[in-house]
Amino acid sequence: NAGVTQTPKFQVLKTGQSMTLQCAQDMNHEYMSWYRQDPGMGLRLIHYSVGAGITDQGEVPNGYNVSRSTTEDFPLRLLSAAPSQTSVYFCASSSERSPRGYEQYFGPGTRLTVT
Amino acid sequence: QQQVKQSPQSLIVQKGGISIINCAYENTAFDYFPWYQQFPGKGPALLIAIRPDVSEKKEGRFTISFNKSAKQFSLHIMDSQPGDSATYFCAASKRGSGGGADGLTFGKGTHLIIQP
Repeated sequence: NAGVTQTPKFQVLKTGQSMTLQCAQDMNHEYMSWYRQDPGMGLRLIHYSVGAGITDQGEVPNGYNVSRSTTEDFPLRLLSAAPSQTSVYFCASSSERSPRGYEQYFGPGTRLTVT
Repeated sequence: QQQVKQSPQSLIVQKGGISIINCAYENTAFDYFPWYQQFPGKGPALLIAIRPDVSEKKEGRFTISFNKSAKQFSLHIMDSQPGDSATYFCAASKRGSGGGADGLTFGKGTHLIIQP
């Protein structure tokens, strides 16, 4: 199992550009989430999904869109990038079937810089 | 409003000592409290977790102590080793709303350095 994979690893955008951060998992997890990590702020939830076709907003959803057409994929779209979106983005998946109960498996992250 | 408060922000411990990181939460609906460990350039990974029906959980050198009435929980790392140097995050979630499916609320993290 590859676990949770994210692409790209690094990205530089200009203000106003749009892009999609890709996330995929091969563990057949029903739940997937996107977090952003900023220095001194911990990780903050952007959007999450409880299954294909079902998404909801987290703590900091503004400026981001998500969709979940399959169990495996959960892309995060930046509609019009702003410098405030400079951050490290982590995708995570979890399942009620996990032996350690609701354990979130995190991807390696995407480091995004908006200039 | 920060729902999970973590302290200290940074911590230096001598090899072989005990590292203690504390967290406090506000939302009484939280009923799952994990600790995550993160090394530079990597995603966080689950270290240990507890539910509020027990006051303590131990896995190897790592122990969570939980005080439901005070709404506090802490991570103790016994016999701390240089390899434990990392950033540690406490977190909380509401099991009732899909079993943690709606994600975790994290503390701001503690940067732990174990000096050899």
